[in-house]
Amino acid sequence: DAGVIQSPRHEVTEMGQEVTLRCKPISGHNSLFWYRQTMMRGLELLIYFNNNVPIDDSGMPEDRFSAKMPNASFSTLKIQPSEPRDSAVYFCASRPGRLYEQYFGPGTRLTVT
Amino acid sequence: GIQVEQSPPDLILQEGANSTLRCNFSDSVNNLQWFHQNPWGQLINLFYIPSGTKQNGRLSATTVATERYSLLYISSSQTTDSGVYFCAANQAGTALIFGKGTTLSVSS
Repeated sequence: DAGVIQSPRHEVTEMGQEVTLRCKPISGHNSLFWYRQTMMRGLELLIYFNNNVPIDDSGMPEDRFSAKMPNASFSTLKIQPSEPRDSAVYFCASRPGRLYEQYFGPGTRLTVT
Repeated sequence: GIQVEQSPPDLILQEGANSTLRCNFSDSVNNLQWFHQNPWGQLINLFYIPSGTKQNGRLSATTVATERYSLLYISSSQTTDSGVYFCAANQAGTALIFGKGTTLSVSS
């Protein structure tokens, strides 16, 4: 299995630009998660989908962030407009069920200048 | 939601030494995982261990669910063990919540 796939791996953008991060979960996994990692806040959950439906988006920082999962094999996290404080590593993860192991993708390192 | 606390925050070892990392969680959980974040930033799954004991080579883990803690043992440490070790836990139907991690440095 290819594992969780994320793209791009690195993104550098200017403040105010729109950023779209992409994730392909492991085939057969019905839960998908977006996390953000910063030095100050550590690894924090942004949003959790189950069977393509958002279950918990309480970690989404503000209206500038949005996430979609149009089908079982693809999800996007969009930031519009981006700000320097959004600079972080964004991880996508998936798992096959409620009581199973969670697997992480390689992450996207976002830098907003 | 649950809270996950890890100790110690930092650990410095000489190659060959053994170590124990601890993870405490605030409520009953259905899942507990240990991860290693390597110097390239990848999160590597070490153990899925909601209860009991597991071993994988020089690493082993024990979770005592009734007492709300888990331990990760590293024996005969090597420089390649360096990095950050995370404990994460969740209740059924929720997402993993992470501790702040233990940063391990192993020198030769």
